[in-house]
Amino acid sequence: DAGITQSPRHKVTETGTPVTLRCHQTENHRYMYWYRQDPGHGLRLIHYSYGVKDTDKGEVSDGYSVSRSKTEDFLLTLESATSSQTSVYFCAISTQPMNTEAFFGQGTRLTVV
Amino acid sequence: QQPVQSPQAVILREGEDAVINCSSSKALYSVHWYRQKHGEAPVFLMILLKGGEQKGHEKISASFNEKKQQSSLYLTASQLSYSGTYFCGTANAGNMLTFGGGTRLMVKP
Repeated sequence: DAGITQSPRHKVTETGTPVTLRCHQTENHRYMYWYRQDPGHGLRLIHYSYGVKDTDKGEVSDGYSVSRSKTEDFLLTLESATSSQTSVYFCAISTQPMNTEAFFGQGTRLTVV
Repeated sequence: QQPVQSPQAVILREGEDAVINCSSSKALYSVHWYRQKHGEAPVFLMILLKGGEQKGHEKISASFNEKKQQSSLYLTASQLSYSGTYFCGTANAGNMLTFGGGTRLMVKP
């Protein structure tokens, strides 16, 4: 199994509080991705990174920010959590997504109350 | 923009066949296919790299029509273990990897 871990695995937070989710990899893959998964919407891309300090927006980036200061860590921050951000969040890594597979973390279930 | 998958859900009996389709309004450079079991992370099945390419994995195979910007996943002689949600994914020139809405497959005895 690819070395990718997400933390925390579960979190309950209150509306308006900041939340940071962490994705850590030991594979030295260049590309890292954050997705949210909601019923009926599949996997929607929030942000992705193509190198240290190189990030770009995905399809549903509003309300989220990311940072990648080291190859192995990709952080997702909800600046002020809202109930609509209650979801399961997945991180994925890849060496070259145009021709190689992506590996997913186990997911973080976030509930905003 | 997410690729579009169809059908959204399908129920099969063991031994039956199914086809899951994936289409995009944008040019496809490659197509990924993944399966997700309930409560677990998506797991890679296969990737198709150029138009017309077909790949197989056990009794699961896929095709890629670059001109039509479509891919199809074929599950033959389905087994109980095939149950789950199937996702297609596409990577653009900027390596942004996006996925479709998923197809829920249930195989019954």
